[in-house]
Parts: sequence; C-alpha cells; structure tokens
Amino acid sequence: GQNIDQPTEMTATEGAIVQINCTYQTSGFNGLFWYQQHAGEAPTFLSYNVLDGLEEKGRFSSFLSRSKGYSYLLLKELQMKDSASYLCALHQGGKLIFGQGTELSVKP
Amino acid sequence: DAMVIQNPRYQVTQFGKPVTLSCSQTLNHNVMYWYQQKSSQAPKLLFHYYDKDFNNEADTPDNFQSRRPNTSFCFLDIRSPGLGDAAMYLCATSRTGGGYEQYFGPGTRLTVT
Repeated sequence: GQNIDQPTEMTATEGAIVQINCTYQTSGFNGLFWYQQHAGEAPTFLSYNVLDGLEEKGRFSSFLSRSKGYSYLLLKELQMKDSASYLCALHQGGKLIFGQGTELSVKP
Repeated sequence: DAMVIQNPRYQVTQFGKPVTLSCSQTLNHNVMYWYQQKSSQAPKLLFHYYDKDFNNEADTPDNFQSRRPNTSFCFLDIRSPGLGDAAMYLCATSRTGGGYEQYFGPGTRLTVT
C-alpha cells in the first residue's frame, strides 16, 4: 500500500506561514498532487510535483523529496479563506491515491 | 465555462431503492472517475473510464455500477443503497497521460433513509 500520512488538523494565525506535511511509502509513482477542499465542495488543484525540489505558485509552494518519501505544502500570508482541508495525493498508474487530508483552521 | 457538472447536488433515497447519479463534462477529457468521500475521509476511487474502457477498483462493491454512454456523460448506479453508502460522490475528469490534474465536479451528497 501507499500509506499516505498527513496530520489530521492544524491551526494557524491569519498572516502567518504554515507547513502541511505529507509522508508516504510506495514503490513508485509519477508525481504528487496537492488539492484544497472547502467543506462541502469539490477538491481544487493546487500543485503537482514530479521532480524533487520546490514548486512556487503565489502564496502556495510545494516541495517533494522522493528519497525521503516526503512532501509539504507551504502556505504564506494566510488568509481566513485558506481554512479548508488540504489533500496530498500520489499519482500512480493513472490514478490518484489520496491521503486523509489535513483540516487547516485559520484564526484572526 | 468548461466544467464538470454533477446532478443532483443532493439526493435522498430509501434503503434498497436504486439511485443514479449523473456527471457531465465540457472539457472533452477522455478519462472520467467516480470517487466516494465520507465525512473527514479521503476520496476513495470507485472506478474510472479510459475512453470506453471500464476499470473497476478491486474493493468496489458489486452494488456500484457505472455507465459511460459517450465522452461527455458518466453515470453512477447504486443498485441497492445501504445506510453505509451515504456519502459525497465526486466525479472527476482528466486527460490521458501522466501529470494531468483531475478536475472535480461539485459532488452529489447522497442520503439514505
């Protein structure tokens, strides 16, 4: 199995920076996705990492280390609207295997 | 706007009464997926179509079936819903090949009474 692990929930303050980690155990995969999901809504695409390293996209950045079986999503200048669930997903065999998601609460 | 559309957004059915959920897309993507997501859990892939080729996940119950009459439409049929089938059902599409993101519809929340 892929054994994808994320913290269940995190809390951060508006304007701060937060890092959401994702660890996995798998024999091989094409890349790793991060999705954002607000309560009762569909997941929306944030980032996709294929190679090791940091991918930056505005306030959001994602990092992948294949050798360490580790990824993180970095959110800067947090806003209240960033309160949501963040899902990491391995892209493997044409399918996405999701982690359970990290529920992020942004407080004023 | 091009998008993935799911109807209805909310569906209530009775225990054991067949129900069909619909998904359509204007993206002209050749791959379509159905996921089940229960509260505070990850989306769980039920099956997917690569064009007309149907791919069932090994642990998807026989109670769940799917049809894809053309590129644009895909249906999820639950033949005899149980209380445990109450969940959000998400449809997604993507293009073939590695690295293409999946575009999700808004989901249908199914309640079984």
